[in-house]
Order: sequence, then structure tokens, then C-alpha cells
Amino acid sequence: DAGVIQSPRHEVTEMGQEVTLRCKPISGHNSLFWYRQTMMRGLELLIYFNNNVPIDDSGMPEDRFSAKMPNASFSTLKIQPSEPRDSAVYFCASSYGLWPPTNEKLFFGSGTQLSVL
Amino acid sequence: DQQVKQNSPSLSVQEGRISILNCDYTNSMFDYFLWYKKYPAEGPTFLISISSIKDKNEDGRFTVFLNKSAKHLSLHIVPSQPGDSAVYFCAAVNTGNQFYFGTGTSLTVIP
Repeated sequence: DAGVIQSPRHEVTEMGQEVTLRCKPISGHNSLFWYRQTMMRGLELLIYFNNNVPIDDSGMPEDRFSAKMPNASFSTLKIQPSEPRDSAVYFCASSYGLWPPTNEKLFFGSGTQLSVL
Repeated sequence: DQQVKQNSPSLSVQEGRISILNCDYTNSMFDYFLWYKKYPAEGPTFLISISSIKDKNEDGRFTVFLNKSAKHLSLHIVPSQPGDSAVYFCAAVNTGNQFYFGTGTSLTVIP
């Protein structure tokens, strides 16, 4: 398996523009997570899907952020309009969502480095 | 509110010595804890985990200790190697399968 695939790897945009980040989870995984990494807050959970349904979006910073998972193999995180403070690395991760967790429970993609100028 | 905290943003250790990375959490409902390792330009990868019913788990050079009464866990790496230089994230999981990560500790192992 190719692992969790994120695109693009880097995104540079101007303030006010719409940004769409994409994620393909590992086949067979039923849980998908979007995280944002910043120096101040580390890996911050934005939203969590289980079986394509959003379970917890309390981490989404504000209404400018939205996430969708139209099917088990694809998810998007959209920021509209983007602001400079949104600049960060955004990670997508997937897991089997079983309890208790097995050892290698959460698999991360390589991330999208977003820069909003 | 940060439920998982790593108060040391960085740590430098001489090769061959022990590295100790610390993590504190606030929610007593967490049942499972993990450490992830992250190299630059890569996503975090799983390193080692521990269930709340244990106080120690060892895997080669890596050992994780859990002190539930203090809501504290630590990762020991011995002996430390230059290839261990990375950012280490502590994570806690609840029964809802939600992972909460700390802010990370950047470890530098000096040859």
C-alpha cells in the first residue's frame, strides 16, 4: 500500500484565496483525521471522520474551514478565504478505528506545507 | 485547551547517553498513549505505545514509562544515536478513538 497520500505537498497562495487540501487514506481504514502542526500548539486535531461521517469537528478553527469526505477513499480540507495565520503544515492521517488500538494505529501522510502571503 | 503537554521544546544529548522525553496529560479518561517520531518534511511515524493498565513498555532501545497518578509519561532512549535526532510527539487516545498530541520535543543527538 502507498500509505496516506496528500496533495499538494506545498501550497503558496495569497490572502483571501481559496485553498483545497486533498487526502487519500489507506485502503480499508475507516477513520480519517486532519491535523495542523504549528510551533505553538503542536499537532492540533481539526476534524475526525469515521466511516465517512464527521464525528468531531470541534477543532476546526472557524467557519472559514470546512472538510468533506464524500467516500471512503477521499477527503478534502478547504479554507475560504485563507489568511496568513493559516500558514502551517496540514497532516491527514487514517486508522482502522478499532479499540483497543493496535500498535501501528495511526498512519500519517507527508503533509501539505501551506503558506498564505 | 492543550490536553497533552510536552514542556521541553528541545533536548540535546551526547551519542551513547540516555535521552529522556517527558509528557504530561490532563484527562484521566485517556486509556492509551503513544509516541510518534517525525523527521523533517515527513509525516509522524509510530514509535512505541503503552496501555493505561501497564506502567512500562520496552522495545529495543526505547522504553515508555507511565505514571497514572501523576498523569505523566516518559520516553527513554538508550543508548541514543544520531539517527534518533527528530521531533518526538506524545499522544493520548480516548475510547472515542480520538488522538490528542503534544507540542513535540526536538531531540538532537550529538555525535
